[in-house]
Amino acid sequence: EPEVTQTPSHQVTQMGQEVILRCVPISNHLYFYWYRQILGQKVEFLVSFYNNEISEKSEIFDDQFSVERPDGSNFTLKIRSTKLEDSAMYFCASSEGGMSNEKLFFGSGTQLSVL
Amino acid sequence: GDSVTQMEGPVTLSEEAFLTINCTYTATGYPSLFWYVQYPGEGLQLLLKATKADDKGSNKGFEATYRKETTSFHLEKGSVQVSDSAVYFCALSPYNQGGKLIFGQGTELSVKP
Repeated sequence: EPEVTQTPSHQVTQMGQEVILRCVPISNHLYFYWYRQILGQKVEFLVSFYNNEISEKSEIFDDQFSVERPDGSNFTLKIRSTKLEDSAMYFCASSEGGMSNEKLFFGSGTQLSVL
Repeated sequence: GDSVTQMEGPVTLSEEAFLTINCTYTATGYPSLFWYVQYPGEGLQLLLKATKADDKGSNKGFEATYRKETTSFHLEKGSVQVSDSAVYFCALSPYNQGGKLIFGQGTELSVKP
């Protein structure tokens, strides 16, 4: 089965630094997402992206966060100035369509540790 | 707002035991319901889904029925295997908000030989 690939698997950064998390969605998918899971908490939706635009974002996704599809294959999440509370597992996902019954394909995640 | 509640884990079973993981939801309208599974070191994978009341999703011996009257989507399997050891997530996608999944807290299942 095709896979969503995320790099790096683990990223350590200092508070206040910028980080970029990278994802390669499945090649024929059109919808892209970022989710995160803080240790011991639920997996939370951050943002969805379609046709080079954010289609929906959660309250968590404030001005410190941005997403980009810089070329035809990568999808990135940037955190401008990291805080301790940004430490979490970040999951990228993609889907063929955008319906509510759509199957999402998830990557294996990037564990971000902010020190 | 919309939410999902699942039974807390970890759940430990012997091989061939019957599995139930309870999941209830709160949502307006008609959400789609999902079970995702995460094996160690991997991403979440769709296990099964149901999109309307009384639909039954099934896959790999697992089943769940969309019960609107009890707002539930319990996961069941008649005979678990060691290879079923994983974390199971119940989730809903609100009507007309495709790709925006609201997850339960996840239930860790450990199956012993």
